Amino acid sequence: AQKITQTQPGMFVQEKEAVTLDCTYDTSDQSYGLFWYKQPSSGEMIFLIYQGSYDEQNATEGRYSLNFQKARKSANLVISASQLGDSAMYFCVINAGGTSYGKLTFGQGTILTVHP
Amino acid sequence: GAVVSQHPSRVICKSGTSVKIECRSLDFQATTMFWYRQFPKQSLMLMATSNEGSKATYEQGVEKDKFLINHASLTLSTLTVTSAHPEDSSFYICSARDSGGNIYEQYFGPGTRLTVT
Repeated sequence: AQKITQTQPGMFVQEKEAVTLDCTYDTSDQSYGLFWYKQPSSGEMIFLIYQGSYDEQNATEGRYSLNFQKARKSANLVISASQLGDSAMYFCVINAGGTSYGKLTFGQGTILTVHP
Repeated sequence: GAVVSQHPSRVICKSGTSVKIECRSLDFQATTMFWYRQFPKQSLMLMATSNEGSKATYEQGVEKDKFLINHASLTLSTLTVTSAHPEDSSFYICSARDSGGNIYEQYFGPGTRLTVT
């Protein structure tokens, strides 16, 4: 079974500052994918970034980067130059193989609030 | 590309009635779709895995007879909430895996907000 832990129920950041959202995971599978999704108040799930377990370099997508530390089983999301539109709920997600192939396991989520 | 639609986006129904929610992959084929349920300010909980042409696989604790899933084509899965009750009020989200794409990536629909009165 897979498990994702997000220990920050809520985070606050000043506009234009950087913020790190924490995520640790647990899986016995060697091959897996890690994702971050953003969910604004409208409810849609917006894909932000993906990291494969065999990727040696940290993933980056514009202002988003994933700090992947495989030995520590952590996959923190870093948002640089925060914008007011970044205020939303953020989910760390794992998609592992084995008997759970294809099933996404979500963390509890972190509500990010960006202050002007 | 990789767009998933859901219909309806919002629905209000009376207790005891049934509601059908559609999930469509618009520009790709999806042999597998997933249905999630989300309560306010909580995480998404997987309800079931929908497989085209075969029976859905339900997660532990999800009533098969209450949440009927039909995946009749490579682009459409439906979730029917039968004999709905107020406790079934929730946000239902589907996702679809592109049969020809990254094996780990899924695309989400915009969600359906169900309110049972």
